[in-house]
Amino acid sequence: DAMVIQNPRYQVTQFGKPVTLSCSQTLNHNVMYWYQQKSSQAPKLLFHYYDKDFNNEADTPDNFQSRRPNTSFCFLDIRSPGLGDAAMYLCATSSQGTASTDTQYFGPGTRLTVL
Amino acid sequence: AQRVTQPEKLLSVFKGAPVELKCNYSYSGSPELFWYVQYSRQRLQLLLRHISRESIKGFTADLNKGETSFHLKKPFAQEEDSAMYYCALSGGYNKLIFGAGTRLAVHP
Repeated sequence: DAMVIQNPRYQVTQFGKPVTLSCSQTLNHNVMYWYQQKSSQAPKLLFHYYDKDFNNEADTPDNFQSRRPNTSFCFLDIRSPGLGDAAMYLCATSSQGTASTDTQYFGPGTRLTVL
Repeated sequence: AQRVTQPEKLLSVFKGAPVELKCNYSYSGSPELFWYVQYSRQRLQLLLRHISRESIKGFTADLNKGETSFHLKKPFAQEEDSAMYYCALSGGYNKLIFGAGTRLAVHP
């Protein structure tokens, strides 16, 4: 009964070759987030969707894009992966995005390797 | 700037010993703070939030605005507490700003 599912769990891509990571949820939550976590570092928010409204973090590179075609699915597209984009990518959801009452539910992550 | 600092990468204790995982934050306004935990081979999950003022699995955390700290404490560590612990600050819309994490190792 996984609630936030990420596919694939491991992704290998070549330098410069576009790659898409997938996240789905069975919680019917309004908010979906993508975090990047490099080795031994804190998870860092890339962007989030509140329903269909896309919110990009100011320091997220243009190389990273996202799509949310419906409530359940959210995709992370990396247009031209560089070696520095190798990381664990975490998807998370929350019901309303209100910190005091909400809980963020995380997926297991997708580990991206760039060759 | 909003920032969370966890000064210890690794905290190693023996079973039954007290545990304190340190967290300091920088935030202009009223902070909302959390502790998240990641057990081996499991996903990141919420342990506790400061607003609830609750004890989860024997852990407590008190927000000290004067010292801008939110340290996580447990009086008697158990082996099953071994995990990666992340302190996090909410930056609105529940956007979490995480610290780099502290690995807690509890030895028998």
